[in-house]
Amino acid sequence: DAGVTQSPTHLIKTRGQQVTLRCSPISGHKSVSWYQQVLGQGPQFIFQYYEKEERGRGNFPDRFSARQFPNYSSELNVNALLLGDSALYLCASSQTQKNTEAFFGQGTRLTVV
Amino acid sequence: SQQGEEDPQALSIQEGENATMNCSYKTSINNLQWYRQNSGRGLVHLILIRSNEREKHSGRLRVTLDTSKKSSSLLITASRAADTASYFCATANTGGSNYKLTFGKGTLLTVNP
Repeated sequence: DAGVTQSPTHLIKTRGQQVTLRCSPISGHKSVSWYQQVLGQGPQFIFQYYEKEERGRGNFPDRFSARQFPNYSSELNVNALLLGDSALYLCASSQTQKNTEAFFGQGTRLTVV
Repeated sequence: SQQGEEDPQALSIQEGENATMNCSYKTSINNLQWYRQNSGRGLVHLILIRSNEREKHSGRLRVTLDTSKKSSSLLITASRAADTASYFCATANTGGSNYKLTFGKGTLLTVNP
């Protein structure tokens, strides 16, 4: 069984550019959440999507957006990148909107230079 | 913002010893979960304890929860070098239409062979 898969694993972007990160949840899981983890901190909630609708948003600027596709995979987009956006971006999937256990992917390491 | 605060920030022990990590949180919760993260990669779910539970065991792991003190502890018995990792507590809060986990800053555990 494949776990949560994220792509790419590493990415280097220049300030002002845009980036798209991708996540495929575990088969049968309908909820995908995105988290940002900066060095030395715990993950911070960005978005939750369930059944292709946004169900929750963390305290992040409008430069951050996401969507979920009919196959429940998801993309996270970040526009006008800042140096402070450098972080590990984690995707988590769960079976239902309020499922108690979240399964995380290995993350995408984004470096903004 | 961070909900939980782990204590200590770093812990170094010898193989075979027990490791205890503590977590404090601020608001009412549905459940509290502990995760492990190796070398800044994906999070691995270890154990979940519900707000109406006081203690839970899983293999070498023992978790306690004191909702009156808004605190939890994770005990790893007979530690191994492979337990070296960062450990995070995460709370799932009451109310709201979305499901998000709020993480602490983590405890870095080093188990020396």
